[in-house]
Amino acid sequence: QVQLVESGGGVVQPGGSLRLSCAASGFTFSSHGMHWVRQAPGKGLEWVAFIRYDGSNKYYTDSVEGRFTISRDTSKSTLYLQMNSLRAEDTAVYYCAKSKTVEKFVFDYWGQGTLVTVSS
Amino acid sequence: EIVLTQSPGTLSLSPGERATLSCRASQSVNSSYLAWYQQKPGQAPRLLIYGASSRATGIPDRFSGSGSGTDFTLTISRLEPEDFAVYYCQQYGSSPITFGQGTRLEIK
Repeated sequence: QVQLVESGGGVVQPGGSLRLSCAASGFTFSSHGMHWVRQAPGKGLEWVAFIRYDGSNKYYTDSVEGRFTISRDTSKSTLYLQMNSLRAEDTAVYYCAKSKTVEKFVFDYWGQGTLVTVSS
Repeated sequence: EIVLTQSPGTLSLSPGERATLSCRASQSVNSSYLAWYQQKPGQAPRLLIYGASSRATGIPDRFSGSGSGTDFTLTISRLEPEDFAVYYCQQYGSSPITFGQGTRLEIK
């Protein structure tokens, strides 16, 4: 069965950096695009970033463009999100999510999430 | 950016009743690229519907989606106790991908 397990969340000061990881299993990681989606405490869902199955294209929401970098390591079946210049408004639970095969911007499996808190 | 507005904000119903949740887009959603997700407290969202009306793998047939253009509906034909949760719509036809603010379905 598909499993996505995020890690790397924690408390960081404004302006700091954090790297999130998402270990994937139960499917052919190298064949699927992957996403990060976040949810601020008590709020709705916000798509953050997408990386194609082969890493050739990456897309970001405007608010994180230039600060966050999505990447993947096929040999480790792991997705990453490098977050720099963090702001208070980046505080959220960050979920990794797998793309459906054809509908690449539909999220058919999700991890349990990892909480990032940006606070001084 | 396409803004999705879900209504009602909260829906109070009893098990066995029919639930109708609405998602209205600020502009037409390309090719009915609209999905619905269910989220229970402390859990990740779960995909229910994509392409406006296609059920995801393992989703019971009491869940159905309909609509096109700017108006979409998620219908739960007979509510089970486990269906009480928050529901989000999402459009993926235009960049950026956007979600609605959610409808909370609570037990009456």
